[in-house]
Amino acid sequence: DAGITQSPRYKITETGRQVTLMCHQTWSHSYMFWYRQDLGHGLRLIYYSAAADITDKGEVPDGYVVSRSKTENFPLTLESATRSQTSVYFCASSGDVGNEQFFGPGTRLTVL
Amino acid sequence: RKEVEQDPGPFNVPEGATVAFNCTYSNSASQSFFWYRQDCRKEPKLLMSVYSSGNEDGRFTAQLNRASQYISLLIRDSKLSDSATYLCVVNNYSWGKFQFGAGTQVVVTP
Repeated sequence: DAGITQSPRYKITETGRQVTLMCHQTWSHSYMFWYRQDLGHGLRLIYYSAAADITDKGEVPDGYVVSRSKTENFPLTLESATRSQTSVYFCASSGDVGNEQFFGPGTRLTVL
Repeated sequence: RKEVEQDPGPFNVPEGATVAFNCTYSNSASQSFFWYRQDCRKEPKLLMSVYSSGNEDGRFTAQLNRASQYISLLIRDSKLSDSATYLCVVNNYSWGKFQFGAGTQVVVTP
């Protein structure tokens, strides 16, 4: 029972590089979310998706791009990484609006 | 003002004692409420949903006060393994609008 997985789990990159974080869920959940978590800020929503090909911005979308061509995958791309994007990134999914979210194990990203 | 606010703690609790803490929310249209547990910046895990009439799950009791716009979590007979950060989450049934509190840290000591 894989549930929701993220890859890579750890990533170090340099300023200006493009980075893609992967998220895959096996529950066929309609809703998927990307959050970042920084000390002092808690979880902040970057992007979310209600279904394949339906995405929308969250609280902190600048510098990020998402796509969702298949229900089970929701990749997050940092187009040109900046040091301020050093963070822990969590992907989550939910079966219905208002239902609890289930989180992946996170990706720790460091931008040098 | 943040939409969801929590006392960051830490709440230092002797093993076997009871601890309780609240979470306040600003959006009166909020409809669903949850408590999550997070260990050492690992992924948050659902602890329990919070229902209007209040609910229990073993040693954990959650309450909702809509009039004052807060939810609470009470942990009885605290165990060392209860040491974690507890996140409050509210949602107004808008699919992009899960609001997370920054968390309350609980440290259970022997």
